[in-house]
Amino acid sequence: GNSVTQMEGPVTLSEEAFLTINCTYTATGYPSLFWYVQYPGEGLQLLLKATKADDKGSNKGFEATYRKETTSFHLEKGSVQVSDSAVYFCALRGGYQKVTFGTGTKLQVIP
Amino acid sequence: EAGVTQFPSHSVIEKGQTVTLRCDPISGHDNLYWYRRVMGKEIKFLLHFVKESKQDESGMPNNRFLAERTGGTYSTLKVQPAELEDSGVYFCASSRSSGHNEQFFGPGTRLTVL
Repeated sequence: GNSVTQMEGPVTLSEEAFLTINCTYTATGYPSLFWYVQYPGEGLQLLLKATKADDKGSNKGFEATYRKETTSFHLEKGSVQVSDSAVYFCALRGGYQKVTFGTGTKLQVIP
Repeated sequence: EAGVTQFPSHSVIEKGQTVTLRCDPISGHDNLYWYRRVMGKEIKFLLHFVKESKQDESGMPNNRFLAERTGGTYSTLKVQPAELEDSGVYFCASSRSSGHNEQFFGPGTRLTVL
């Protein structure tokens, strides 16, 4: 079956530091890949997505590239802000409607 | 447009009691999904409605869980009787009909079973 593995947190960074959150997946076929974010006290929000190999999803300064050869979809941001503190979930959706999530990585950005 | 709403936001019950969670999807969204996150682990799929029909309920953990979507609008998820391991955050999501449409998630209901 489908699965998603992402780096465990929490991750603590200083403001303006570079962020990488690793994510790898196992799936049959050609899944769509997502990063969701959950800010404190809020629901899940779609941060970015990529639907085919070599696609790059980007939003709010975050980027992730769909790498089929390494089955990865690492999340990156060049300069994090305190407001980026949240839990980040890597996810995929295959041929079926349901989304398969990773365990989530908590990011804390300190001033 | 209003987003997906869930009620209650928090629920604390004792083992053996019954709890009913409610989800109101975005108006016009035929697809409704339930997920849950237990003990800080991954968010896991529970089931999927298309209008009032259960399309996929492969993620329902056992027969203590009952989901309904009468009339194809809001949905309820009942846990009866609740067990300690049912504690977690229950998310609802909805999407438009067919295709690979984005799922919009609600804020979740945090359930604590004591």
